[in-house]
Amino acid sequence: EIVMTQSPAILSVSPGERATLSCRASQNIHSNLAWYQQKPGQPPRLLIFGASTRATGIPARFSGSGSGTEFTLTISRLEPEDFAVYYCQQYYNWPPWTFGQGTKVEIK
Amino acid sequence: EVQLVESGGGLIQPGGSLRLSCAASGLTVGSNYMSWVRQAPGKGLQWLSVIYSDGRTYYADSLRGRFTISRDDLKNTVSLQVNTVRAEDTAVYYCVTQSLYWGQGTLVTVSS
Repeated sequence: EIVMTQSPAILSVSPGERATLSCRASQNIHSNLAWYQQKPGQPPRLLIFGASTRATGIPARFSGSGSGTEFTLTISRLEPEDFAVYYCQQYYNWPPWTFGQGTKVEIK
Repeated sequence: EVQLVESGGGLIQPGGSLRLSCAASGLTVGSNYMSWVRQAPGKGLQWLSVIYSDGRTYYADSLRGRFTISRDDLKNTVSLQVNTVRAEDTAVYYCVTQSLYWGQGTLVTVSS
């Protein structure tokens, strides 16, 4: 099973600043990576698939990069609605899907 | 518009069984792969099971045979049977398809 590791666990950022979240896979997953955003009481929302392709309706301030084992989600200028938990997920070798443990982006 | 609506959650005693259902609209469950993912309170996401359009099913190794996924093409629903529930099965259970569409989830609480 591929293990996904996210860092940091908590990221404190001021509104308007840039946020950079990392995700590492335990083996090469090429570009088979998705990013999700989850707010309290809501299901996850797909942001990025294929490591760098934004899902429909996702603002351009969200961008994904990376391939192989190292991936990054960047939020260029944090809006108040962006404070949430973010998960990465691999779908290269599935089933099973495996998720990272999440990064909480909180207001500094 | 695609909608997935889960049902069947609630309070259940350890050792009991429950059946979760996911009613789909806006898509045909028999033409898509349908998964279940759960999230324990305050924890991350755990993939549980998938049923493909050809009927193949897969499960997370950790479920140890207690979970069974199935599909009813006439009702356009997907179900997850959970047997011998334990406290650690307490979670919100989500129905998911295409990674994009998630239901709102149904809460299962295992407690005596």
